Amino acid sequence: EAQVTQNPRYLITVTGKKLTVTCSQNMNHEYMSWYRQDPGLGLRQIYYSMNVEVTDKGDVPEGYKVSRKEKRNFPLILESPSPNQTSLYFCASSLLGAQNTGELFFGEGSRLTVL
Amino acid sequence: DQQVKQNSPSLSVQEGRISILNCDYTNSMFDYFLWYKKYPAEGPTFLISISSIKDKNEDGRFTVFLNKSAKHLSLHIVPSQPGDSAVYFCAAIGSSNTGKLIFGQGTTLQVKP
Repeated sequence: EAQVTQNPRYLITVTGKKLTVTCSQNMNHEYMSWYRQDPGLGLRQIYYSMNVEVTDKGDVPEGYKVSRKEKRNFPLILESPSPNQTSLYFCASSLLGAQNTGELFFGEGSRLTVL
Repeated sequence: DQQVKQNSPSLSVQEGRISILNCDYTNSMFDYFLWYKKYPAEGPTFLISISSIKDKNEDGRFTVFLNKSAKHLSLHIVPSQPGDSAVYFCAAIGSSNTGKLIFGQGTTLQVKP
């Protein structure tokens, strides 16, 4: 089954304690991205990657890091989480190029609370 | 600067009636426009899209209309069903080579039985 898998689904942590949210896709997609969803703000892009070892900032990258060492994996790293990073996070993937008409495949989301 | 805007945070309609969700955009260079649907505790799922060279696309009960001169698109759901109750996100993509999708704020649709 084609899917994007993220873990953990739910996490409560404390300020400053490093954490990683993993994301894996099995569709051989070149493009992967992280979004955060906040009330009234919709989905905002944090980072994206167009292929292995190619990453770039989205609209709200502050406080986050990513890596793309393998095509299928795109972990989101919060080196020193702060309460304003409390949010619902989504990983997504898609094809690129002429085949891409914008259809992103999303994971089920990771709800993060930073105390 | 919000390039894609959904000005109505919520919409409530009666089962069997039409639901119309609206979206405005500012960038005339967008190539595709899409609608995503999101249920609680799930990720958004693709619903329907339209190319910037079209003005209408239909898929079953769902129709998207694009008015380029007004930079406006709308999603029509006819007839509306209680299972359509969800958050709907409008989105736009500027270039198929970058993959970047820009989302609106979302509209929560409630379809009452």
